[in-house]
Amino acid sequence: DAGVIQSPRHEVTEMGQEVTLRCKPISGHNSLFWYRQTMMRGLELLIYFNNNVPIDDSGMPEDRFSAKMPNASFSTLKIQPSEPRDSAVYFCASSFYGDTGELFFGEGSRLTVL
Amino acid sequence: EDKVVQSPLSLVVHEGDTVTLNCSYEVTNFRSLLWYKQEKKAPTFLFMLTSSGIEKKSGRLSSILDKKELFSILNITATQTGDSAVYLCAVRNAGNMLTFGGGTRLMVKP
Repeated sequence: DAGVIQSPRHEVTEMGQEVTLRCKPISGHNSLFWYRQTMMRGLELLIYFNNNVPIDDSGMPEDRFSAKMPNASFSTLKIQPSEPRDSAVYFCASSFYGDTGELFFGEGSRLTVL
Repeated sequence: EDKVVQSPLSLVVHEGDTVTLNCSYEVTNFRSLLWYKQEKKAPTFLFMLTSSGIEKKSGRLSSILDKKELFSILNITATQTGDSAVYLCAVRNAGNMLTFGGGTRLMVKP
């Protein structure tokens, strides 16, 4: 398996622009997580899905952030409009619900908002 | 709200030293505790612990969980420069949600 695949790996955009980050989880995994990592705040859980259904989105900063999982093999995280404080590395991760085991991370999408 | 606190925040040691990293947690309906190592990219998995008192070991790294006192430690013996990284502790609850601590940044000097 190729692992969790994220795109783009790097994105530089200007304030006010829409940003869409994409994630393909590991085949067979039915839990998907979006995390944001900054030096100041560490790894923060934004939202997670079980069986394509959002379970907890309390970590989503505000209405400018939205996430979807239309099917078991694809998820998006959208920021509209983007702001400089959204600059961070966004990680997608997947696991098998019902298992206590590890969470598999993608390589991350580094977002810079100017 | 689930909470994970790691200490120390950062640590500088010399090659050959032994280090102990700490992780304390509060979680509703605990399922497991996981340790990850993060270098420049994504976190990579080290250990998963579910039972108290059973040590998990992998080479020079070992970890143990105390579910009564709600903490875990990660030990690294005979440290090497390649051990330099951020070490992350996370707890999984019954809803499959993983909450991470802020990490311990370890630097091993030659």
